[in-house]
Amino acid sequence: NAGVTQTPKFRILKIGQSMTLQCTQDMNHNYMYWYRQDPGMGLKLIYYSVGAGITDKGEVPNGYNVSRSTTEDFPLRLELAAPSQTSVYFCASLIAGGKGEQFFGPGTRLTVL
Amino acid sequence: GNSVTQMEGPVTLSEEAFLTINCTYTATGYPSLFWYVQYPGEGLQLLLKATKADDKGSNKGFEATYRKETTSFHLEKGSVQVSDSAVYFCALGAGGGADGLTFGKGTHLIIQP
Repeated sequence: NAGVTQTPKFRILKIGQSMTLQCTQDMNHNYMYWYRQDPGMGLKLIYYSVGAGITDKGEVPNGYNVSRSTTEDFPLRLELAAPSQTSVYFCASLIAGGKGEQFFGPGTRLTVL
Repeated sequence: GNSVTQMEGPVTLSEEAFLTINCTYTATGYPSLFWYVQYPGEGLQLLLKATKADDKGSNKGFEATYRKETTSFHLEKGSVQVSDSAVYFCALGAGGGADGLTFGKGTHLIIQP
């Protein structure tokens, strides 16, 4: 199993551009999550999904959108990039009933200039 | 709301020293508690967990006990190694964590030979 994979690893955007961060898991996990990690801070939850077709906002959803058309994929979209979205983004997954033991991807480092 | 507070870093120790990283939490109900570790340039890996009061999680020589009376989950290791140098995150998952985890800010641990 590859686990949780994310692409790209790095990206630089200009203000106002849009992009999609990809996340795929091959563990057949029901739950998936997007977090952002700012320097010197813990991770903050952006969006999560409990299954295909179902998504919910986390603590910091503004400026982002998500979709969950399949169990495996959970892309995160930035429509109008802003410097405040400069961060490292982590995707994670959890099997139903897994007592919160989330598996994390390697992260995407995004810079908005 | 839920919150996690952990000691600020960096924490610098000599090899074979005793390690304690303090973590306290605020939550309603009975959350699950976790310690995650992040090595440079990588995603987070679960180090250990505890799902109910008085549980002790342990892994790779690290231990933490879920103390409901003091709302704490301090991380300890008897003899640290250079390879333990990393950032350590304390986290809680309300309701098992299916709705996402709440993280502390992280503690950067530096072990000197």
